[in-house]
Amino acid sequence: DQQVKQNSPSLSVQEGRISILNCDYTNSMFDYFLWYKKYPAEGPTFLISISSIKDKNEDGRFTVFLNKSAKHLSLHIVPSQPGDSAVYFCAASGGGADGLTFGKGTHLIIQP
Amino acid sequence: DAGVIQSPRHEVTEMGQEVTLRCKPISGHNSLFWYRQTMMRGLELLIYFNNNVPIDDSGMPEDRFSAKMPNASFSTLKIQPSEPRDSAVYFCASRPTGVAFGYTFGSGTRLTVV
Repeated sequence: DQQVKQNSPSLSVQEGRISILNCDYTNSMFDYFLWYKKYPAEGPTFLISISSIKDKNEDGRFTVFLNKSAKHLSLHIVPSQPGDSAVYFCAASGGGADGLTFGKGTHLIIQP
Repeated sequence: DAGVIQSPRHEVTEMGQEVTLRCKPISGHNSLFWYRQTMMRGLELLIYFNNNVPIDDSGMPEDRFSAKMPNASFSTLKIQPSEPRDSAVYFCASRPTGVAFGYTFGSGTRLTVV
């Protein structure tokens, strides 16, 4: 039973365009959401987060949007750069449990 | 700070052998987590510790898996006996207690059981 779902295993975007990565969750008790970026042979690194009391958080080229009623969040990267090519994981925390619940990841490929 | 340090980076072992994975968390981080990444299941939480005490091991797949944290600077994940389906990348992460976004992951141990 996947509580955090990333339905697109991969996404290809042209350099300079906007990348939009999507994530859905089922547990309404989640109160904190995070995006992690992972390069091959490295551990995931924290990218951006959002609390459930907000609907948007922005950090430079990265913006995360949260739609609580739809149990959906998205990560926008604009403009996309070659170094953004990586696997992006959506994660959630809360519901009385510690630790993070991860989606399976989306492999973002930025094409020149 | 050197970050979360995991060893070995790669481990190849024969089915039935004992495997021990090691983790050194970031100094001052009170919480430590072990995750496993597979193609089928993605990143799964196996067990986590707060102040060296195991809090939730419900993610540990079977009794063949055990984890210890004898002190604040060291943790082990042991598989005995190992099976081919245990092949995965195992990540250790640490964070200060109560900081929701403060997770730092190690580079992982890629385990192959043949």
